[in-house]
Amino acid sequence: GEDVEQSLFLSVREGDSSVINCTYTDSSSTYLYWYKQEPGAGLQLLTYIFSNMDMKQDQRLTVLLNKKDKHLSLRIADTQTGDSAIYFCAEAHGQNFVFGPGTRLSVLP
Amino acid sequence: SAVISQKPSRDICQRGTSLTIQCQVDSQVTMMFWYRQQPGQSLTLIATANQGSEATYESGFVIDKFPISRPNLTFSTLTVSNMSPEDSSIYLCSVEDLLLNEQFFGPGTRLTVL
Repeated sequence: GEDVEQSLFLSVREGDSSVINCTYTDSSSTYLYWYKQEPGAGLQLLTYIFSNMDMKQDQRLTVLLNKKDKHLSLRIADTQTGDSAIYFCAEAHGQNFVFGPGTRLSVLP
Repeated sequence: SAVISQKPSRDICQRGTSLTIQCQVDSQVTMMFWYRQQPGQSLTLIATANQGSEATYESGFVIDKFPISRPNLTFSTLTVSNMSPEDSSIYLCSVEDLLLNEQFFGPGTRLTVL
């Protein structure tokens, strides 16, 4: 079945860039998503990329997609303490969403 | 964007009892989804609830354990039946906006079963 993998933890210093990586197995994915989950809150959609794109930029967020390697990354520029959260990568094919385990981003002062 | 509320936000329940979680959306949506997030794990889709038809359950989930109602286009309930400690989890309701191709999530219901 489909599988999505992420590293579980990432620590960065405030002001540095964060790069969260994700690999997936379903080559027929149509959309790939990044969600943010802050403590005690539901998931928040950050951004998504259509599978025929290789890059998408949205303010401090840059998504890179390498479809050949089935690798997705989320870069957060100028990381702030408010960016501390769990970040979930998800792939979608039709109505079927498959989420990764989440990467816990800790931003150090 | 859709605004989703869930009730209750959290509950502590005894083994063997049942809990019904409500999900209310501020706009009419065709598809509503119920997810579970167990401690330390990612989200798992339980079922898809369409108005006017029976819910479609994912592998590993059955209607007897997780009955779902979808009486109209803005509301759904998920019941966790005959609970055991393994059902302790966050349960999230989600809707899909087909025009925006975005998925929106409710705040979740944190369930603890003793």
